[in-house]
Amino acid sequence: QSVLTQPPSVSGAPGQRVTISCTGSSSNIGANYDVHWYQQLPGTAPKLLIYGNNNRPSGVPDRFSGSRSDTSASLAITGLQAEDEADYYCQSYDSSLKGVFGTGTKVTVL
Amino acid sequence: QVQLQESGPGLVKPSETLFLMCTVSGGSISTHYWSWIRQPPGKGLEWIGYIYYSGNTNYNPSLKSRVTISVDTSKNQFSLRLSSVTVADTAVYYCARGAVRSNPLDYWGQGTLVTVSS
Repeated sequence: QSVLTQPPSVSGAPGQRVTISCTGSSSNIGANYDVHWYQQLPGTAPKLLIYGNNNRPSGVPDRFSGSRSDTSASLAITGLQAEDEADYYCQSYDSSLKGVFGTGTKVTVL
Repeated sequence: QVQLQESGPGLVKPSETLFLMCTVSGGSISTHYWSWIRQPPGKGLEWIGYIYYSGNTNYNPSLKSRVTISVDTSKNQFSLRLSSVTVADTAVYYCARGAVRSNPLDYWGQGTLVTVSS
């Protein structure tokens, strides 16, 4: 079971902006624990996309941005490209469950 | 560039113990946290646990009674033992650098599929 809820899928045309929500509670995101985001391309291992709520590792395009507010977080992709088609997961810490991942969101580029 | 590589049997029988090793290259294991994560076929990610190079561990409460993560700093390796496996433990198992709090999972192995079947 996951305590971080994401929409199963989002889609957009090339060039558009899409956002993925990650809804938690007062025992995880709402407790001020950092949120990280991972991108998983088909058949590959996840890759760190955003860390510490809104920081990009070296090499990640600035089209990707993260934010956090209260008990939720969001990942935004601007200027959507075909290569962004992947599964995206948020991840945080829960005071009871320890490490938790979101349910995952499949991004489709139309 | 840090690289991680999982190794171990791809098939384990029900009720037996799953054992996987993760070999770290391109960096020392003695400076970070190290984690195991798994992903059942077609499903999402599940955190299993992490270990610090000093040996301190933290496990997913739902797996804690069956999981042991160990580290061998002399070989730059860490390992996963999961006992009393069932078909529900069939998954791709990933090792990664980092923990699940302030230390993000910044380097991942390619993953290894472990199937539990008689």
